[in-house]
Amino acid sequence: DARVTQTPRHKVTEMGQEVTMRCQPILGHNTVFWYRQTMMQGLELLAYFRNRAPLDDSGMPKDRFSAEMPDATLATLKIQPSEPRDSAVYFCASGLGGGTQYFGPGTRLTVL
Amino acid sequence: GIQVEQSPPDLILQEGANSTLRCNFSDSVNNLQWFHQNPWGQLINLFYIPSGTKQNGRLSATTVATERYSLLYISSSQTTDSGVYFCAVGKGGGTSYGKLTFGQGTILTVHP
Repeated sequence: DARVTQTPRHKVTEMGQEVTMRCQPILGHNTVFWYRQTMMQGLELLAYFRNRAPLDDSGMPKDRFSAEMPDATLATLKIQPSEPRDSAVYFCASGLGGGTQYFGPGTRLTVL
Repeated sequence: GIQVEQSPPDLILQEGANSTLRCNFSDSVNNLQWFHQNPWGQLINLFYIPSGTKQNGRLSATTVATERYSLLYISSSQTTDSGVYFCAVGKGGGTSYGKLTFGQGTILTVHP
C-alpha cells in the first residue's frame, strides 16, 4: 500500500530554532506539494515541485522558508529561524502531473 | 486567484441520513478534487472530478464545470463519515498545472 510518509510527526521547538521537515513521496510520482493548515487560513499551498524542479513557491515566506528536493525520494521544508506564527500542521502531498493528490499524515509544528 | 466557497459550513446528521455538500468556484477549472479529513487529521482523496459524475460506494460526486459548481453526495451516512470535507480546484497549464486552491470545508458530524 503506497503512502506518502512525513517525519517528524510532531515537533516542538523554541522561537529562533531551525526546523526541518521531511517527506517521502509515493514512488513514481513526479509532483510534490507542501501545504500548511491553520485554523485561521485553512489549507494553503506553500510550494510545489515537478520532476524535482521547483515550479511555484509564491506561498512561502521567502526570508525564512526554503523547500528542496535533493532526490526523487525526498522533499524537505526548512524554517530558519522559526517563529510562533509558524505553528501549524504541514502536509506533503504527491501525485502524477495534475491528477489526484495523495497526502501524508502531516507534521504538527509548535513554536514556543 | 480562484475563490472556492463550500456550503453548508457545518452539518449534523443522524446515522443513516443522506446529505449533499456543495462547492462553488469563481472561474473555469481543469482540476477539481474532493477530500475528507478525518478526526485524526488525515486527508484522504475521495474523487478527482473536473467534470461529470463518479460514484464510489455510498459516495458520489458531480461537477458541472460550465456552471462552476460541484456536489458531493453521501448516502446512508455512518459515524465514520464524520470529519471535514474539502473541495479543491485548479486551472491553467504549464507551471500552474496541478496547483490546487482549497475551500474552507464543510464540517460533518454524524451521530449514532
